[in-house]
Amino acid sequence: KNEVEQSPQNLTAQEGEFITINCSYSVGISALHWLQQHPGGGIVSLFMLSSGKKKHGRLIATINIQEKHSSLHITASHPRDSAVYICAVKKGDSNQFYFGTGTSLTVIP
Amino acid sequence: EPEVTQTPSHQVTQMGQEVILRCVPISNHLYFYWYRQILGQKVEFLVSFYNNEISEKSEIFDDQFSVERPDGSNFTLKIRSTKLEDSAMYFCASRWGEKLFFGSGTQLSVL
Repeated sequence: KNEVEQSPQNLTAQEGEFITINCSYSVGISALHWLQQHPGGGIVSLFMLSSGKKKHGRLIATINIQEKHSSLHITASHPRDSAVYICAVKKGDSNQFYFGTGTSLTVIP
Repeated sequence: EPEVTQTPSHQVTQMGQEVILRCVPISNHLYFYWYRQILGQKVEFLVSFYNNEISEKSEIFDDQFSVERPDGSNFTLKIRSTKLEDSAMYFCASRWGEKLFFGSGTQLSVL
């Protein structure tokens, strides 16, 4: 049973396109993270959300606590955005984080 | 900017050997984690550590695994007798509030 589901699993976009990656979770959470994993394997935290919406440059992350759903949007996508994007949630009553399987994004010039 | 550092970046070992993976978390962080990612699979939680003791561990974290914070800065993961299926990328992370910071990982290959 996956506590965190992401869609799509793979995504190919043309440079400049608007991209949306979705995350649904089934547990009560205290925080949700969007992470970026580069081809070399390193993981970088992009956003931490507990409610509402956050924006950083071309990246926007939203969360709907009632619907247990979060989205990551990339505006004006660029080939350097190509990476795996991972949703991870921290259960409210736990010190654990649960990870989605990731969305592999390829942006073609 | 402070960062979590992991050493070594790659470790190759023979099956049955002991390995120690090292991490230096960010100094004022209180929560520390080990995760692993088998090639092509999702990141999996191994163990969390708080106040110098394990706070939670997953089913993966069996008696072959142990963690230590021997000197107040290093945070180590020991695998006592490695198996082929232990081959994976191992990530250390530390947490401040709800924000997670990851190390760059140690790629462990068990032959």
